[in-house]
Amino acid sequence: QLQLQESGPGLVKPSETLSLTCTVSGDSISSSRYYWGWIRQPPGKGLEWIGSIYYSGTPYYSPSLKSRVSISVDTSKNQFSLKLSSVTAADTALYYCARLHLSGSFDYWGQGTLVTVSS
Amino acid sequence: DIQLTQSPSFLSASVGDRVTITCRASQGISRYLAWYQQKPGKAPKLLIYAASTLHSGIPSRFSGSGSGTEFTLTISSLQPEDFATYYCQQLNSYPQTFGGGSKVEIK
Repeated sequence: QLQLQESGPGLVKPSETLSLTCTVSGDSISSSRYYWGWIRQPPGKGLEWIGSIYYSGTPYYSPSLKSRVSISVDTSKNQFSLKLSSVTAADTALYYCARLHLSGSFDYWGQGTLVTVSS
Repeated sequence: DIQLTQSPSFLSASVGDRVTITCRASQGISRYLAWYQQKPGKAPKLLIYAASTLHSGIPSRFSGSGSGTEFTLTISSLQPEDFATYYCQQLNSYPQTFGGGSKVEIK
């Protein structure tokens, strides 16, 4: 059974860099045919796609975040990571990692991790 | 970016009701649309992809239809566990975008 688990600091100061890791179990990132992605959800609001990556390919980013975001894969640890720089209070959200189904939709999700941006 | 507009944003319904939620895209997306269900404190759950294909394990009371710019999610007979917020997502082009959500509450 595929499982994804987000980890990282729950509190980040304004102007600093948010860093999260998603650990995948039950499947190998490097042997699968899937893309992996990050989605966020501000408290009480809707879903926003951040970006997606294939283990050996170029990542795709949301244009609204592209200047600040970086997604990478560590196949040795079966993990992929998110970095978002120069954060503000507007980046406070529940951050989810997920697997992209072959259709392009997200079929497996982590439980989500709340990141608060505050001094 | 392709904008997705869901309606209604909120609806009140009873167990056993037939419920329909609409998702309209700002430009044609063929059938590249997915639907998700999200309950409070939980991650979204994939219900339907490719506009009408039921994801594995999803009850048959859920169905999807549409193509181009207009899509619908139908729950044929609402069950207590179906009270949740539903989101559509377009997969036609990057950036992938989500609708604003439709919350289904108990009448």
